[in-house]
Amino acid sequence: RKEVEQDPGPFNVPEGATVAFNCTYSNSASQSFFWYRQDCRKEPKLLMSVYSSGNEDGRFTAQLNRASQYISLLIRDSKLSDSATYLCVVTGNTGKLIFGQGTTLQVKP
Amino acid sequence: GAGVSQSPSNKVTEKGKDVELRCDPISGHTALYWYRQSLGQGLEFLIYFQGNSAPDKSGLPSDRFSAERTGGSVSTLTIQRTQQEDSAVYLCASSLDFGHVTQYFGPGTRLLVL
Repeated sequence: RKEVEQDPGPFNVPEGATVAFNCTYSNSASQSFFWYRQDCRKEPKLLMSVYSSGNEDGRFTAQLNRASQYISLLIRDSKLSDSATYLCVVTGNTGKLIFGQGTTLQVKP
Repeated sequence: GAGVSQSPSNKVTEKGKDVELRCDPISGHTALYWYRQSLGQGLEFLIYFQGNSAPDKSGLPSDRFSAERTGGSVSTLTIQRTQQEDSAVYLCASSLDFGHVTQYFGPGTRLLVL
């Protein structure tokens, strides 16, 4: 079983749609959680950290469920520029980052 | 420089040759990480440095892979006797120190082994 699992997609949605991505992780000792964004043939960039209480940054909302070892990312009012691969990231036992394989989003006009 | 830089940006080599990939982290960042990303796959952790030390080499795929960091700055990843399965994008990242929230990635080196 992979340490971090995501549905690879692709998710194809129209502009303005709301879309949600899910991620599960296997290590109950993980302490920190993030969503990174990776554009095609570009490097990953931090999108947002994920806190236990849930957090929001504009159109983006991240949630963490420690009991179920589950992380989610909600994007409201999708824009064409949101098209990218979204990587779920957790810290491993030694503190290093463990990346999921990513979920691809395509927002269409 | 403002960000993490890597060189070369692209490398084509023949099977069996050695290659060296270079990473210049953000000035002042003590932690440096190497990852590999194969086509359509997530990032695979290879090794990280805290200063010039590499506490965790567990991700290196084989003994053909090695890395070093000197002066707490530039790092090189060396792949000896390259194989076709080594073809991937090799990404370097740095952070203020190990475990810091944000890792800043370089643009990567695209390696193709023929």
